[in-house]
Amino acid sequence: DTEVTQTPKHLVMGMTNKKSLKCEQHMGHRAMYWYKQKAKKPPELMFVYSYEKLSINESVPSRFSPECPNSSLLNLHLHALQPEDSALYLCASSQDSGNRNQPQHFGDGTRLSIL
Amino acid sequence: QKEVEQNSGPLSVPEGAIASLNCTYSDRGSQSFFWYRQYSGKSPELIMFIYSNGDKEDGRFTAQLNKASQYVSLLIRDSQPSDSATYLCAVNRGRGSTLGRLYFGRGTQLTVWP
Repeated sequence: DTEVTQTPKHLVMGMTNKKSLKCEQHMGHRAMYWYKQKAKKPPELMFVYSYEKLSINESVPSRFSPECPNSSLLNLHLHALQPEDSALYLCASSQDSGNRNQPQHFGDGTRLSIL
Repeated sequence: QKEVEQNSGPLSVPEGAIASLNCTYSDRGSQSFFWYRQYSGKSPELIMFIYSNGDKEDGRFTAQLNKASQYVSLLIRDSQPSDSATYLCAVNRGRGSTLGRLYFGRGTQLTVWP
C-alpha cells in the first residue's frame, strides 16, 4: 500500500458515462500529478497541480477534466471517453513541483476500461 | 533522440548475481534522477534517487550517476526472484517550464531466475 490513495481501483464505463477518479494524500505534499499508462509503456504525464493551481496540461483532450479542491485531494472527471482511453491512471504527489529534487510518489492506480 | 533511453531488455540474471540497469539522457542540464520499480499490473514504486555525480547505496541497490557522460545506472546486488520487474529510469530537468515534469525511459524488464 502507498501513501497516495486512489479510488476506485477498477472502473468500467460506457462511452456516454460520466465518472470521476479520486486521489488523496496526507503527506503535506503541494504538488499532485495525473498520469496515464498503457501496457508495456512508461507513464505519460497528463496534468500537474502545484499549490492547488494547474501548472501543466500536456494537451490532454477536454473529455478529461482535472480538479484540485484542496492540497490533499485531486480528482479527474471523465466524460464521453473513447475505447483508446482504457489504461491505468496513476496519481502521484511530491513535496513541491518547483523543487527539482523531490521525488514523486505514486498511488496504486485506477484501471479504467471503456466499453 | 529520445529524452531518456533504456535498454528494454529483457535482462535475465541468476539468483545471487548482480543486475546492471543502464539509462542515458539527452538534456545535459538535467538535475535529478530516479529509479522506479514496477511489477506487472502494479504502480511504479520509487526505489532510488540521485542528484550528484558518483555512487549512492541503499541496501542491495546502488545508483551511479555520471553527468559528463549523461549516464545513470542501477546495480542490484544479490538479485532475488522478487526483484523481477520492470525498472523505469526517470529524469527531472529541474528548470523553466519543465519544472515538475519527469521524463521516463521505456523501462528495462528484469527477470531473476532461481
